[in-house]
Amino acid sequence: GQQVMQIPQYQHVQEGEDFTTYCNSSTTLSNIQWYKQRPGGHPVFLIQLVKSGEVKKQKRLTFQFGEAKKNSSLHITATQTTDVGTYFCATITQGGSEKLVFGKGTKLTVNP
Amino acid sequence: SQTIHQWPATLVQPVGSPLSLECTVEGTSNPNLYWYRQAAGRGLQLLFYSVGIGQISSEVPQNLSASRPQDRQFILSSKKLLLSDSGFYLCAWSVRYGGQLLREQYFGPGTRLTVT
Repeated sequence: GQQVMQIPQYQHVQEGEDFTTYCNSSTTLSNIQWYKQRPGGHPVFLIQLVKSGEVKKQKRLTFQFGEAKKNSSLHITATQTTDVGTYFCATITQGGSEKLVFGKGTKLTVNP
Repeated sequence: SQTIHQWPATLVQPVGSPLSLECTVEGTSNPNLYWYRQAAGRGLQLLFYSVGIGQISSEVPQNLSASRPQDRQFILSSKKLLLSDSGFYLCAWSVRYGGQLLREQYFGPGTRLTVT
């Protein structure tokens, strides 16, 4: 079935440094969604990308969907301690079923 | 606005005991409902999903079961818990697909289950 590979698994940065997590697939994706899970919390939806080459921004967060729709990235500029958590990408399973398949996530820690 | 509830928040159960976790959604009708499990420091494993009352799809064969007795109620059960059932159980809902792009999922606060 559809799978998405997320890298890196862990990332530790100093506050103020940038951070990027990548989500890759061997097959074309219909869409990609990004979620953030704070430590001890539940995943929260951030954004959905649908179009080839799409770029969306939310304050310091920039989301990209590759031209071939096989990869996506989430970039955080000048990280803050409030950015800590695990970031997951997710996509719809092949065949248009009503479920998502999630990447394993990238855990971000920020040293103040 | 929509709200999703899960209870209990934490649970400690002995091996071999039964389990019942409940999830309810308010403020929406005909949602898709999902149960996930997350082991400590790991990703999300989809256990069950439902597109309507009494309709359950199982993703992982195991000693868990799910039921949807009402439109906005989703229950996760087990007759006999195993040590490996420990984890963070998350319920989620989304708008039904209905020909549109799959909508985002909204997660409940989760139940932390420890099987001892």
